[in-house]
Amino acid sequence: SAVISQKPSRDICQRGTSLTIQCQVDSQVTMMFWYRQQPGQSLTLIATANQGSEATYESGFVIDKFPISRPNLTFSTLTVSNMSPEDSSIYLCSVDRDRPTDGYTFGSGTRLTVV
Amino acid sequence: GEDVEQSLFLSVREGDSSVINCTYTDSSSTYLYWYKQEPGAGLQLLTYIFSNMDMKQDQRLTVLLNKKDKHLSLRIADTQTGDSAIYFCAEWNAGNNRKLIWGLGTSLAVNP
Repeated sequence: SAVISQKPSRDICQRGTSLTIQCQVDSQVTMMFWYRQQPGQSLTLIATANQGSEATYESGFVIDKFPISRPNLTFSTLTVSNMSPEDSSIYLCSVDRDRPTDGYTFGSGTRLTVV
Repeated sequence: GEDVEQSLFLSVREGDSSVINCTYTDSSSTYLYWYKQEPGAGLQLLTYIFSNMDMKQDQRLTVLLNKKDKHLSLRIADTQTGDSAIYFCAEWNAGNNRKLIWGLGTSLAVNP
């Protein structure tokens, strides 16, 4: 299965600043997904990123707040813009697999604390 | 819309069996997954079951699927302290833009 390198693993940021999270995959993948996991909560899908097209955002998430890049089939970034303490969460990237039986592979997550 | 529900907490003694339950609403789900999340870690796929199966066994893990009741369970035999984690149930069908629908997760505590 794919191996995903997600950076940074954690960060503490000042409110009003932005943080860009990177995900690098060791193989080409069609779809990449960005999730947010708030403390003690399940995963909430932020957006789906396909190479060569605009990301598709879920209800409640907007491009201005969470701009996403997908420049090629192995890399994507998620930026959390103009951060507030409510953005403190774990952010996870995930990649689709060619076979549903392989499930979805996840990065190790970025634990973000906004102060 | 689609929904996946799980009980939030389960506590068992080491060596006992654990059973984590999940219900879902989308009858067109084709794959159902169990993921494990250990503290401070990402998500690890444990196992899956295809919708035309009733049961799947993989070493200490047994997945049971009741399609009529839309009920899924994960049984962990001989539960160990290393099994302490959050377990997420997720459903998938190709028609849902290839998105997974997630449950809230069941936190399993294994007591020595």
